[in-house]
Order: sequence, then C-alpha cells, then structure tokens
Amino acid sequence: AQSVAQPEDQVNVAEGNPLTVKCTYSVSGNPYLFWYVQYPNRGLQFLLKYITGDNLVKGSYGFEAEFNKSQTSFHLKKPSALVSDSALYFCAVRDGNTGGFKTIFGAGTRLFVKA
Amino acid sequence: SQTIHQWPATLVQPVGSPLSLECTVEGTSNPNLYWYRQAAGRGLQLLFYSVGIGQISSEVPQNLSASRPQDRQFILSSKKLLLSDSGFYLCAWRGKGEQYFGPGTRLTVT
Repeated sequence: AQSVAQPEDQVNVAEGNPLTVKCTYSVSGNPYLFWYVQYPNRGLQFLLKYITGDNLVKGSYGFEAEFNKSQTSFHLKKPSALVSDSALYFCAVRDGNTGGFKTIFGAGTRLFVKA
Repeated sequence: SQTIHQWPATLVQPVGSPLSLECTVEGTSNPNLYWYRQAAGRGLQLLFYSVGIGQISSEVPQNLSASRPQDRQFILSSKKLLLSDSGFYLCAWRGKGEQYFGPGTRLTVT
C-alpha cells in the first residue's frame, strides 16, 4: 500500500531564508512523486513532479525537490522564501508500476514566511 | 488548454436534505476524474474516481455517491446529508501524471 508522511504540521521561516518542507513516502513499485500548493479557499495547484530521471526536479515559482531513493524522501526546497509562499503544501505519491489510478496525499504542511 | 469547473462555490444545506455537486472539464477527452473531501483545511480524502462514462470506484463507504453521465462531467450526490458531510469538496482530473484541481465547493451542513 502507498503512504505519504509530512512530519511537520507547520514550518516557519523568515523571508529571504531558504525553506525546506519534508516528505517521506512508501510505495511497493516505482514512485511517482508530486508537490502541490493550496492557498486559502482554493483548489490545489500542481508545483512539480518526479517520474524518472534527474533526482533534482525544478518546478513553478522557484521551487525544487530532491528525490532520494535510499531515504524514500522527496523534500520540497526553495533557496529564498517569499511572504507570498505562505500556504498549505501537500506531498503526494502514486505507484508507477501498477499503473494505479489513485494518488495518495500527505496531511499537508502549513508554511509561514515572516517578513 | 484544459479547464475544470465546479459549482456551486459555497452551499449551506440542512441535515437530511439532498446534495448534488457538479464538476465539468474542458479541453480534454476521456479524463480520469476524482472527487476529494478536505476537512478542516488539511488532508485530502479520496472519495470516488472514474476512468470513463458510467465507471465509478468508491474509496470510502459513506453517505455519498458519484455518477459520470458524460465523458467530462462528474457528479457527487447524497440523498440525505449528515453533519459529518460538511467540508471542502474538490474535483480533479489527471493529466500527464499530475492532477489538476477545480476551485472547490465549500459545503456546510446545519
């Protein structure tokens, strides 16, 4: 069975500092990994994905994520945080081997960027 | 480009009343479609998914049902709402691996 863990309910960072939002996953086959962002009272927006290839994936708004197979992690990073990055972030996984239709989402991490 | 619509945006319904939420997708054909519920602004619970017209898979046995009468239309229904049905309902379609979400419907059952 697939699962995703986001160990931090909330991450606080000062504007201009680097940020990391953590995600670990469990899947029996090859992982397809995703990050989404949600602003208040809005649907989720796709940020980036890892399917295959380079372990460092670049996405929208300057975000990137690093796939680490040995640690089963896919942490979201940004070199310099903006106040406008404050939002709810979701990590998600799908089992690529089974061709499954289900994507499992983590519980979400709330990011606060202070000016 | 693809667009996904949901309506209504907000809904307040009494306990025991029926429910119908609609989702439509434009700009793609035969999409995989999904209904999620988000409680208290946090995690997403997958309710139903559909790979084609009339094909519905239910993930959680509960007070809700789903139908797909047309290729790009996905409907979430209930015959009698419960207080626990309150939440933020999100429809999504799957592109090249990733999912694209609609704007959501905020349902409050009173």
